[in-house]
Amino acid sequence: GENVEQHPSTLSVQEGDSAVIKCTYSDSASNYFPWYKQELGKRPQLIIDIRSNVGEKKDQRIAVTLNKTAKHFSLHITETQPEDSAVYFCAASIPQAGTALIFGKGTTLSVSS
Amino acid sequence: EAGVAQSPRYKIIEKRQSVAFWCNPISGHATLYWYQQILGQGPKLLIQFQNNGVVDDSQLPKDRFSAERLKGVDSTLKIQPAKLEDSAVYLCASSPRGGGVYAGELFFGEGSRLTVL
Repeated sequence: GENVEQHPSTLSVQEGDSAVIKCTYSDSASNYFPWYKQELGKRPQLIIDIRSNVGEKKDQRIAVTLNKTAKHFSLHITETQPEDSAVYFCAASIPQAGTALIFGKGTTLSVSS
Repeated sequence: EAGVAQSPRYKIIEKRQSVAFWCNPISGHATLYWYQQILGQGPKLLIQFQNNGVVDDSQLPKDRFSAERLKGVDSTLKIQPAKLEDSAVYLCASSPRGGGVYAGELFFGEGSRLTVL
């Protein structure tokens, strides 16, 4: 079945720096790759997603890139702010299950001012 | 638009006791999921319903966990008997997509935090 690996597990940056989180997936049939942000004690919330027919997508300070050949995708956050501090999860669709997602183990991002 | 509702938010039980969690998805969402999130890990899919039918329950420990979605709306997840390793947040999510191969955003509830002593 699908497996999603996420790195790094923790990431500390200074305010204004860029942050990059990387994920790899195992099933070449996966076609949807979202990123969720989860603040402490809160629900996971979608921040950006990308489908397999697109190589890159950007939304203000956040961008996601996808390399289907290598089966990896990355989240890029530029000009980080303290409010970006949270746990970020990547996910990939499970082709056999239609719309379900399998999640990575998460990256704890800390942005210090 | 109201979000995904879950209850209770917190539950503490002794091992071998039983517990039930309830979820009300966003109105009109055909697909409902239960995920287990152990502290420090990503959500793990337990079961997926489409309307009131099960799409995938391969990761559900069926000797102790059960779930149902009556009338294709609300859902309950039950654990009986609970073990220490069941301590986790149980997240319910829903999606408007009713099937097919094109996945989309999952809308999560706030979760039910279970502590098993």
